[in-house]
Amino acid sequence: DTGVSQDPRHKITKRGQNVTFRCDPISEHNRLYWYRQTLGQGPEFLTYFQNEAQLEKSRLLSDRFSAERPKGSFSTLEIQRTEQGDSAMYLCASTRAASYEQYFGPGTRLTVT
Amino acid sequence: GESVGLHLPTLSVQEGDNSIINCAYSNSASDYFIWYKQESGKGPQFIIDIRSNMDKRQGQRVTVLLNKTVKHLSLQIAATQPGDSAVYFCAELLRIQFYFGTGTSLTVIP
Repeated sequence: DTGVSQDPRHKITKRGQNVTFRCDPISEHNRLYWYRQTLGQGPEFLTYFQNEAQLEKSRLLSDRFSAERPKGSFSTLEIQRTEQGDSAMYLCASTRAASYEQYFGPGTRLTVT
Repeated sequence: GESVGLHLPTLSVQEGDNSIINCAYSNSASDYFIWYKQESGKGPQFIIDIRSNMDKRQGQRVTVLLNKTVKHLSLQIAATQPGDSAVYFCAELLRIQFYFGTGTSLTVIP
């Protein structure tokens, strides 16, 4: 257990539905990352927060995706109008300031049917 | 996007032998690299890192080698144990984004 938690661990949804995932980073970590990982591939960067500010978004993050970190603590990732291609593991990671040693959560596995 | 590739998708070693996992990266501007271990159903776990101003770094049973001339990274695991069985990823940092390779699946044969 790295100290980063994600909820839910598994989510099955029907195409077209909206889903929201939550990430709770290690409390003193001010940087938070979201990644998507498909089977057999490495994680792909989605977005990055420093405190509550979203500083970077990947081109993978279409307008159906939105992420927030309202108080600089937990973060949510929402996917609207889910598509089958959204099926993947969604990983969250956090780091301390001035460090790139990322601590990953266990991930949320999304299945879109 | 950036390209970080692994030479071998799978590797099988006998318990007690040394393992070497290789990784090629494409951007000479990358200045920081990490090796991760990922077990089934879990998120990646940090193993060891190295900055671009270093050629070698050692940890407990693990060594990372960086060859900037050919943009190659390797992870050496000494005396491989069954608990080392997992998928290993290298990742390079470019600006503030990490780019991960595809991964090598290491199987340790008892």
